[in-house]
Amino acid sequence: AQTVTQSQPEMSVQEAETVTLSCTYDTSESDYYLFWYKQPPSRQMILVIRQEAYKQQNATENRFSVNFQKAAKSFSLKISDSQLGDAAMYFCAYRSPHTGNQFYFGTGTSLTVIP
Amino acid sequence: SAVISQKPSRDICQRGTSLTIQCQVDSQVTMMFWYRQQPGQSLTLIATANQGSEATYESGFVIDKFPISRPNLTFSTLTVSNMSPEDSSIYLCSVDAPLDEGSTDTQYFGPGTRLTVL
Repeated sequence: AQTVTQSQPEMSVQEAETVTLSCTYDTSESDYYLFWYKQPPSRQMILVIRQEAYKQQNATENRFSVNFQKAAKSFSLKISDSQLGDAAMYFCAYRSPHTGNQFYFGTGTSLTVIP
Repeated sequence: SAVISQKPSRDICQRGTSLTIQCQVDSQVTMMFWYRQQPGQSLTLIATANQGSEATYESGFVIDKFPISRPNLTFSTLTVSNMSPEDSSIYLCSVDAPLDEGSTDTQYFGPGTRLTVL
């Protein structure tokens, strides 16, 4: 089974600053999808950004962008101009179209935003 | 996208009882998923529920403990049976839906049900 590793259990960032959350994954597949989800204290899982493995261009969504390094199997999330509302648990996830579209989640990174 | 609601949002139950969690989606979807998230941990897939067929359970989860119904394309239930304190967790429903028109599916999550078993 694919594994997703988030090596930073906790991170903090000053409001308005930039922070990068790390994610690596292990797979032998060439075709897959990668996601970042945000789970605030309300516990609603919210999709932040998605990347298709066949796309070389890094996905961006407003203040959120990814650095997708396919050869290195790395998928980091950059949050620019951090806001207090960005405080949440962030989960990296891998999805394979070859294993019933099952999602594999990392263990999460808890992000604190300091005013 | 998809909007998902779950009932109840939280419950406190006694050991040995059962609780049924409902998941309602605002559009017809083929695949629905049930996850468990234990305190401070990541999500673990319990089972995949397709309408008109038996749910497919992941390793470590069995139908007798977590029976699932999927009567139509917008609704599913998960029952946590004969509960013990170890079942205390957040249970999340999710569905596959297109992120935007013409794109491949992404997974959307309900708000979760926080279960505490005494």
